[in-house]
Amino acid sequence: QKEVEQDPGPLSVPEGAIVSLNCTYSNSAFQYFMWYRQYSRKGPELLMYTYSSGNKEDGRFTAQVDKSSKYISLFIRDSQPSDSATYLCAMSATGNQFYFGTGTSLTVIP
Amino acid sequence: GAVVSQHPSWVICKSGTSVKIECRSLDFQATTMFWYRQFPKQSLMLMATSNEGSKATYEQGVEKDKFLINHASLTLSTLTVTSAHPEDSSFYICSASPTSGSRYEQYFGPGTRLTVT
Repeated sequence: QKEVEQDPGPLSVPEGAIVSLNCTYSNSAFQYFMWYRQYSRKGPELLMYTYSSGNKEDGRFTAQVDKSSKYISLFIRDSQPSDSATYLCAMSATGNQFYFGTGTSLTVIP
Repeated sequence: GAVVSQHPSWVICKSGTSVKIECRSLDFQATTMFWYRQFPKQSLMLMATSNEGSKATYEQGVEKDKFLINHASLTLSTLTVTSAHPEDSSFYICSASPTSGSRYEQYFGPGTRLTVT
């Protein structure tokens, strides 16, 4: 079983839609949770991070962590064509080693 | 802030030659840098963790004699792929954690695409 599972998609939505991206994990020791955005042929860009459980909001982006279910989500409101990218979740127990999901490819159609 | 650069961004080399990739943190000091490999439509695979002034820690299955990592300063780490073969062709990405930052902070470089012919 992989440490982190993420649906690769692809996911295609119309502009303005709410997007929900999810990851599940198996290691209950994970306590650092991150979301990265990666454009084609570029390095990942840190979007949001959370420590332990709870929600965090930053503009159009909301990250949720449910440690009891070992499930994390990233919501994108009012999605824009510029949001089209691959979104990677990542998590860590100690902050020293990070485990990445395979990424979900998102296309926002104008 | 928190910019990481990689050089070169794209390199083609012949089988059997060695290639060096540089990773620099431009506006912060990084005690720890990470090297990843990414295949098309796959996630990042951690190859090794390098700490300034000490030997790198390699992940299981990564040949340390083939992928030489040097972290000589707080702003520079290098990855040398020795005796490259076509199966080493991949996208190599480095990341750096600021010395004064939180544990989650990891800033990625733009990646280096290596093609071995």
